[in-house]
Amino acid sequence: SQKIEQNSEALNIQEGKTATLTCNYTNYSPAYLQWYRQDPGRGPVFLLLIRENEKEKRKERLKVTFDTTLKQSLFHITASQPADSATYLCALDYSGTASKLTFGTGTRLQVTL
Amino acid sequence: EAQVTQNPRYLITVTGKKLTVTCSQNMNHEYMSWYRQDPGLGLRQIYYSMNVEVTDKGDVPEGYKVSRKEKRNFPLILESPSPNQTSLYFCASSLSGQNYGYTFGSGTRLTVV
Repeated sequence: SQKIEQNSEALNIQEGKTATLTCNYTNYSPAYLQWYRQDPGRGPVFLLLIRENEKEKRKERLKVTFDTTLKQSLFHITASQPADSATYLCALDYSGTASKLTFGTGTRLQVTL
Repeated sequence: EAQVTQNPRYLITVTGKKLTVTCSQNMNHEYMSWYRQDPGLGLRQIYYSMNVEVTDKGDVPEGYKVSRKEKRNFPLILESPSPNQTSLYFCASSLSGQNYGYTFGSGTRLTVV
């Protein structure tokens, strides 16, 4: 079965720096990969989606890369702010129809002043 | 406001007492899903629906039922709840196709004693 690995240890960075979070997966590549933000006690919020044939996607301070050779996606937040502190989840869509998503356990990001 | 509404937010019940968690979306989305979130296990899909009267099992469907009689509603039914169903539950919806992420509800924290 597919396994998704996100660093379970919290990532602590200083305000203004770039945060980079990693999502690794096993076996075959998904058709799509999505990133979500989750605050404590709240539902995940969709951030970005990247397709198998795309290498990079950007949205404001966010950037996602997708390397099917390494079986890895990187999620970058540039000029990070304390308000970016949250848990970030990657989700893989193997169905190609977005009907079934498999989520990683997430990485907690803490941005300090 | 576009949203997914779950009720109740919190529920404490006893083993074996049937319960229903409601989920409604006002975005005319075709896809809807139920997830449970447990510490260390992340979000796991229980059931999903791609349209009215079209539902299918996710990764952890045992002990749950769903129905999709109307496009906007997707209730989760626990016929005979057990303590191992104590969890945080999320409903989510998405426009069909391959370009959209999911909109999640605020969650239902269920405790079965």
